Amino acid sequence: DTGVSQNPRHKITKRGQNVTFRCDPISEHNRLYWYRQTLGQGPEFLTYFQNEAQLEKSRLLSDRFSAERPKGSFSTLEIQRTEQGDSAMYLCASSTPGQGISYEQFFGPGTRLTVL
Amino acid sequence: AQSVTQLDSHVSVSEGTPVLLRCNYSSSYSPSLFWYVQHPNKGLQLLLKYTSAATLVKGINGFEAEFKKSETSFHLTKPSAHMSDAAEYFCVVSPRGGYQKVTFGTGTKLQVIP
Repeated sequence: DTGVSQNPRHKITKRGQNVTFRCDPISEHNRLYWYRQTLGQGPEFLTYFQNEAQLEKSRLLSDRFSAERPKGSFSTLEIQRTEQGDSAMYLCASSTPGQGISYEQFFGPGTRLTVL
Repeated sequence: AQSVTQLDSHVSVSEGTPVLLRCNYSSSYSPSLFWYVQHPNKGLQLLLKYTSAATLVKGINGFEAEFKKSETSFHLTKPSAHMSDAAEYFCVVSPRGGYQKVTFGTGTKLQVIP
């Protein structure tokens, strides 16, 4: 399967613990995005990478959140000192570059985080 | 600035009847518009996209949508609903060209009654 993969698929943690999620984009895609989706809502943009450069971060991404894409391939999203409000589905997407045309973002299956 | 409003949070149709999922957008520039579908426990899948070519866009599984600039709408339709269409549908807007900061609507849950 050459789609976007995310690991783990589910994570249960206790409040105050740190968690890290991984996203492997489609291999030829140089753009990578993270979103958060809470129950009954559409996905909300968190951050965006072009190759290894993090080009934009949403205000939703507090200081407890950090994302990296060190070699321009896979990406990690870390949440420190988790809070119950962090419970959500975290989605990763990737796309090819485009000029003048908006290219489709391909989404992974998501990581569901539950903070107890 | 951009935003998307999906006018119905739930739509229920009988199998074999038409489907209409409504979406209105707001954008300060020429937008690209997308519809994604999300089945339970599965990733988001693109149904169709409008990027400035034909205003009537055909997608997968018999879905289509029409871009109406005067009405700022991009409604999703299908002539005949199938049980497998039951899912959540998201309307999405993004700037045309360059980096895609997309904005999702809140979703419409489609129920198909046998």
